[in-house]
Amino acid sequence: DAGVTQSPTHLIKTRGQHVTLRCSPISGHKSVSWYQQVLGQGPQFIFQYYEKEERGRGNFPDRFSARQFPNYSSELNVNALLLGDSALYLCASSVDGVGEQYFGPGTRLTVT
Amino acid sequence: GENVEQHPSTLSVQEGDSAVIKCTYSDSASNYFPWYKQELGKGPQLIIDIRSNVGEKKDQRIAVTLNKTAKHFSLHITETQPEDSAVYFCAASRSGQAGTALIFGKGTTLSVSS
Repeated sequence: DAGVTQSPTHLIKTRGQHVTLRCSPISGHKSVSWYQQVLGQGPQFIFQYYEKEERGRGNFPDRFSARQFPNYSSELNVNALLLGDSALYLCASSVDGVGEQYFGPGTRLTVT
Repeated sequence: GENVEQHPSTLSVQEGDSAVIKCTYSDSASNYFPWYKQELGKGPQLIIDIRSNVGEKKDQRIAVTLNKTAKHFSLHITETQPEDSAVYFCAASRSGQAGTALIFGKGTTLSVSS
């Protein structure tokens, strides 16, 4: 079975631009969570979605937004990029958002 | 909110030795404690987890223990091998509560030398 997939794998953007990251969960999983991992730190929670509804939001500015589609895939959008947004963005898949979470390989975003 | 402290930040062992990584948490309502292994250039991989109704769980060479009273949990790896070298993260959450985030420690870089 395919695991969590994310695209693109790497991305370079300029300050002020916006970016869209994509995630497809494990087949049968209906919940997706997004995390930001800065180099040398543990992942930090950004959003959780279940059945297309936002269930949880971490301490991130409104420049960050997300949505989940009927096929349970998800997009993370970041507007007005800052240098500090450079990080590995991870998507985690779970059956219902309250059990085990399985991570994808991440998207490495570099903002210059 | 929840805060997870993880020690040590780096750990070097010889192949065949045991490795122990310790975490403490602050939220007494946390009841789910997973451990992840992250290799260079990859996403975190769930290796073992424990829930608050259990004190210990084993899976081959790895085991996790939980002390709810002291609010700490530990990862034990026995008979370490070079392929165990990676960054290990502990995490805590209130499993069963919708929208609950995993709160991660800062990670332990384990190096196993042969």
